[in-house]
Amino acid sequence: EPEVTQTPSHQVTQMGQEVILRCVPISNHLYFYWYRQILGQKVEFLVSFYNNEISEKSEIFDDQFSVERPDGSNFTLKIRSTKLEDSAMYFCASTERGEEQFFGPGTRLTVL
Amino acid sequence: GEDVEQSLFLSVREGDSSVINCTYTDSSSTYLYWYKQEPGAGLQLLTYIFSNMDMKQDQRLTVLLNKKDKHLSLRIADTQTGDSAIYFCAESYLNTDKLIFGTGTRLQVFP
Repeated sequence: EPEVTQTPSHQVTQMGQEVILRCVPISNHLYFYWYRQILGQKVEFLVSFYNNEISEKSEIFDDQFSVERPDGSNFTLKIRSTKLEDSAMYFCASTERGEEQFFGPGTRLTVL
Repeated sequence: GEDVEQSLFLSVREGDSSVINCTYTDSSSTYLYWYKQEPGAGLQLLTYIFSNMDMKQDQRLTVLLNKKDKHLSLRIADTQTGDSAIYFCAESYLNTDKLIFGTGTRLQVFP
């Protein structure tokens, strides 16, 4: 069964460093998303992406964040200068039509 | 605004039914979802219901939607130890495809 994959599973970085989180959505899906879950808190929407552009973003998704689909398979989230409060589990999701979003296993980001 | 609430914890005996509840504030939802999160894992889509439906059954899972009370529930029949996980309800709305998640309910199944 096709699934969303994410790498790395765990990323540790120093405050102020740039990180890139990678996702490979399900191959025939057209809509892509990033969510995050701070430990013990709700899963929060960050950004949605369709047709090579951002379709919606939350207040969390400020100028430090960017997304890209550099080729036909990968979907990346970049955080330019990480802060302690960026420590969270980051989930990528994709969908073919919009109703069913399928999530990846997540990348745990730890900012020291 | 959009707010989705769930009780934090539910403990049931193996073989019993579990009922996980969710309340929401925004009545303009289009779809309502249940996701399962096992320890250290991602979010697994269990089932979803269109907002004009009252009920959906899928094997051991039954989803009930009461739009008047803005209440969604997930019933798991014959609960097994493998059902132990955190269960999230989530909503989507017209003109947006972002999901709004609840706080999650930790289901613990004991023998």
